[in-house]
Amino acid sequence: KNEVEQSPQNLTAQEGEFITINCSYSVGISALHWLQQHPGGGIVSLFMLSSGKKKHGRLIATINIQEKHSSLHITASHPRDSAVYICAVLSGGSRLTFGEGTQLTVNP
Amino acid sequence: DAGVIQSPRHEVTEMGQEVTLRCKPISGHDYLFWYRQTMMRGLELLIYFNNNVPIDDSGMPEDRFSAKMPNASFSTLKIQPSEPRDSAVYFCASSLGDRGGGANVLTFGAGSRLTVL
Repeated sequence: KNEVEQSPQNLTAQEGEFITINCSYSVGISALHWLQQHPGGGIVSLFMLSSGKKKHGRLIATINIQEKHSSLHITASHPRDSAVYICAVLSGGSRLTFGEGTQLTVNP
Repeated sequence: DAGVIQSPRHEVTEMGQEVTLRCKPISGHDYLFWYRQTMMRGLELLIYFNNNVPIDDSGMPEDRFSAKMPNASFSTLKIQPSEPRDSAVYFCASSLGDRGGGANVLTFGAGSRLTVL
């Protein structure tokens, strides 16, 4: 069993839909990152959070430390949101352990 | 700031050759990370530095891999000799440590795509 598991692995949505990507982890962590990897390969850090909720534009990230679970929500999804979304947990110093990623495709 | 700068962007080499990947972190960032991404294994941490000192190199696959950070503005990842299974995208990332002493939000370079024939 991976330390970090994401679901779903693949997600196809229509433009405008509300999207949720889930991340569960099995280790104690100090923080959790959500990353976005564009089709061209570049990686962008979206959020780093250790409790509660953070919001940036149409993106919202939540974390429940007790349940070892985080969600990334995208409101009013757009084709430009199509990317791979990666959850990563910070444990043991500054070591990040990554999930396998969720491939999101938003169709117009 | 130009962000984290990696070179080369693409490298094709033959098995047995030495490969050197380079990274210039964001000025002022005190953490530097090297990651590798493959289809089979996804993203993996290879090594990270704090204030130019290697802190965790447990992800370095074997002795063929070495990384250095001679100063705050430059790091190298070297593979010698290279093998086809080293083919991957290698990402460098940097971060400014938080007040608690840990790394913070990461800024990634564009990656170096290595193909070993």
